[in-house]
Amino acid sequence: DAKTTQPNSMESNEEEPVHLPCNHSTISGTDYIHWYRQLPSQGPEYVIHGLTSNVNNRMASLAIAEDRKSSTLILHRATLRDAAVYYCILKAAGNKLTFGGGTRVLVKP
Amino acid sequence: DAMVIQNPRYQVTQFGKPVTLSCSQTLNHNVMYWYQQKSSQAPKLLFHYYDKDFNNEADTPDNFQSRRPNTSFCFLDIRSPGLGDAAMYLCATSRSWGAVTEAFFGQGTRLTVV
Repeated sequence: DAKTTQPNSMESNEEEPVHLPCNHSTISGTDYIHWYRQLPSQGPEYVIHGLTSNVNNRMASLAIAEDRKSSTLILHRATLRDAAVYYCILKAAGNKLTFGGGTRVLVKP
Repeated sequence: DAMVIQNPRYQVTQFGKPVTLSCSQTLNHNVMYWYQQKSSQAPKLLFHYYDKDFNNEADTPDNFQSRRPNTSFCFLDIRSPGLGDAAMYLCATSRSWGAVTEAFFGQGTRLTVV
């Protein structure tokens, strides 16, 4: 499985945007970029995914570099409820969902 | 409404005493997964089912077994729990193996071994 690299932790102030980077320099052409997050004492939950184009949904935006070797998850206005570990995962058809280290996001009031 | 349900949320078992964790789903998904998550670590895949086809990860200890009697239910059996098996156990489902398929997770069962 292609690997991803994320910072261990990031801090943000409430109601400010959060940009979470993910490097995936060995990504293959069939890999989709998925993001999941795990709130404290909860199971992970799906956030967003993309292939080449930037994607938006009600939870976040995903910006994908033109060469696809990196991506950024954007939380537009962080709230205290967004404090979680965010995982960037590469997934191709037929492959399992394999978690890397993730980024722990701390949101300060 | 909960779609992937794990029972119990908390389980205490004695060292060496077999324990079973359960997972049920209302999504009618083909794939079910079991992950182990130790403190401050990422979830680690133990095994998964595609329908009735069982797939074990290469590094999953023999102490861990699984059963899937039907589409809705999946069980994780730990035959002789050791102190190192204390962890959160997460069940997940997905409709298929597709690259864009979303996985749905239960809330997990936190296992304590005493």
